[in-house]
Parts: sequence; C-alpha cells; structure tokens
Amino acid sequence: QIQLVQSGSEVKKPGASVKVSCKASGYMFTTYGINWVRQAPGQGLEWMGRISASSGDTHYAQKLQDRVNMTTDRSTSTVYMELRSLRSDDTAVYYCARGRLRYPFDYWGQGTLVTVSS
Amino acid sequence: DIVMTQTPLSSPVALGQPASISCRSSQTLLHSDGNTYLSWLQQRPGQPPRLLIYNVSNRFSGVPDRFSGSGAGTEFTLKISRVEAEDVGVYYCTQATQFPHTFGQGTKLEIK
Repeated sequence: QIQLVQSGSEVKKPGASVKVSCKASGYMFTTYGINWVRQAPGQGLEWMGRISASSGDTHYAQKLQDRVNMTTDRSTSTVYMELRSLRSDDTAVYYCARGRLRYPFDYWGQGTLVTVSS
Repeated sequence: DIVMTQTPLSSPVALGQPASISCRSSQTLLHSDGNTYLSWLQQRPGQPPRLLIYNVSNRFSGVPDRFSGSGAGTEFTLKISRVEAEDVGVYYCTQATQFPHTFGQGTKLEIK
C-alpha cells in the first residue's frame, strides 16, 4: 500500500534550521511529486512548495522561498524539506503529500511537529 | 494568489441530515487545458488531511458515495447526503489550477 512516513518531532531554537524527511513506498517514486503543507496550532493549511521526484524541479511559496529547500534522494525514495532561520511562527505540523502537478494531495504523511522555542 | 473563501466556517448538523459547504475562488479555476483543479479534503481530529474529491466532482478511492462535489468557474460545493458520526472534522477546499496552491480557511463540521 502507498505510504509516506515522516521523521519525528523536532524542537529547535530561533535562527536554527530543521530538516524533515518523507520516505515513500508502495508506488513508483519518480512518477509523482511531493508537496509540503504546514499547519500551525489550531490553524488551517498552508502550502509550502512542491518537488518533482523525477526531475527535482521545485515550486516554492513566495513567502518561504528564501528559507526553504526541498530535495530528493531517488535511491531511498525519500524527500527532504529544510527550513532555515526558524522563527516562533514556524511552529507547526509539517505534512508531506504525494501528487501530480495538478492533482497534488492524494496521499499524506502522518505529520511532523516542529516546535521553535528559545 | 488565488484566494479561496469557504462558508460557513462552522456547521452543526444532526446525524442522518444533509450538509453543504461552499467554496468560492477569487479567480476562475478553469485551466487552459479544460480541467478545473478544485479538490476537497477532510481532516478528522488529530489526523492528517485526506483527499475526498478532485477535479470538482470525482470521488477519490474509498470515499463513500454520500460525498459529492459540484460547481464550476469560481463557485463550488461539497455535499454530504446523510451525515455520520465519522464525518466530524474540518473540510478544506483547495485549488491546483495555479501556483501557489491555496486552501480555504476550513469548515468545521460538528454533530448537533
């Protein structure tokens, strides 16, 4: 079955970086992209960006493009999302979601809580 | 960016009764390829979101047929024909016609 398994919770200080992984299984990794979506406590969903698993091409949300980097490791079917210069308002659950360019969210990871606190 | 606006933000519904959620986009979601990339997601408490509907009206695999989607252009609706207890959660519309992908604010479905 299709699964996206994310890395565990993180606690970071302001100004630090975090790297969250999303390991895919149950399908041909390179035929889909991976989107990253975050959800601050008690809030709605915010799209962060997308990476093509085949080409590595990325699209980032403009507000994050200076601080976010998404990469893929095709040898392990894993996608990584790194967010730099963390601030308290980056505290959120971060989700990866599989999808094609115009069908972006068909399967989701379990979520990774990132807490930014001094 | 395309702004997605949902109404209502909260919807108390009795078990077995229908429910309806509206979603309006600030621009048409009709893509130049002829498709409309509007989806609906369900997020149960403590769970990641789950895809219910894609391309306005197509149910995703395993989604009960009491869920249906309709609409065109800038106006869309998700309907639940008979609400069940497991339908409690927050429902989001989302568009993939244009980058950045954007979401509505969410509609919380509660049992009355």
